[in-house]
Amino acid sequence: NAGVTQTPKFRVLKTGQSMTLLCAQDMNHEYMYWYRQDPGMGLRLIHYSVGEGTTAKGEVPDGYNVSRLKKQNFLLGLESAAPSQTSVYFCASSYPGRRTGELFFGEGSRLTVL
Amino acid sequence: EDQVTQSPEALRLQEGESSSLNCSYTVSGLRGLFWYRQDPGKGPEFLFTLYSAGEEKEKERLKATLTKKESFLHITAPKPEDSATYLCAVQAGSSASKIIFGSGTRLSIRP
Repeated sequence: NAGVTQTPKFRVLKTGQSMTLLCAQDMNHEYMYWYRQDPGMGLRLIHYSVGEGTTAKGEVPDGYNVSRLKKQNFLLGLESAAPSQTSVYFCASSYPGRRTGELFFGEGSRLTVL
Repeated sequence: EDQVTQSPEALRLQEGESSSLNCSYTVSGLRGLFWYRQDPGKGPEFLFTLYSAGEEKEKERLKATLTKKESFLHITAPKPEDSATYLCAVQAGSSASKIIFGSGTRLSIRP
């Protein structure tokens, strides 16, 4: 049982390049999330999805896009990377309702934008 | 504004030296408070959920408690393997977007 799997784990981009981070979960969770984690700032929500075909903005959505075409996958795209997007990105999933806050996280994707 | 504050930022203890981590929150409509453990280079791992003031949860050397304004994570007789960053989060309201994380407490246990 893999849980939440993120790919790639590491990536270096030049300013202006684009890329996609892939998240896959095998727990049949309805909700999926993308967070970024920066030193001293905690986890901040970028985008989230409450079901297949739905997405919504979180706290820091600018510069990112997402898609959830299949229930088990949640993609995070950077169309034109900027140095401010250097961060560690975490995907998470959860059940709806009372257990929404019991998040299952992937191991993270470390992105550096030069 | 909904807010979660954790203290201290870092804590160094000797093996066996018990202590507590604090998570204070100001949210409207608390739906739940959650504790996570995060090891270096890994994603956070869920530990506990607390729903109402007075509730307590225990797991091995960890015990989480909740009041109307704060939560404590008590660590009894810690071991070096308890070294990690401990994160607190609250769900404010029914929306999935209303899960707010604190910045964490970095705990280090010396043998």
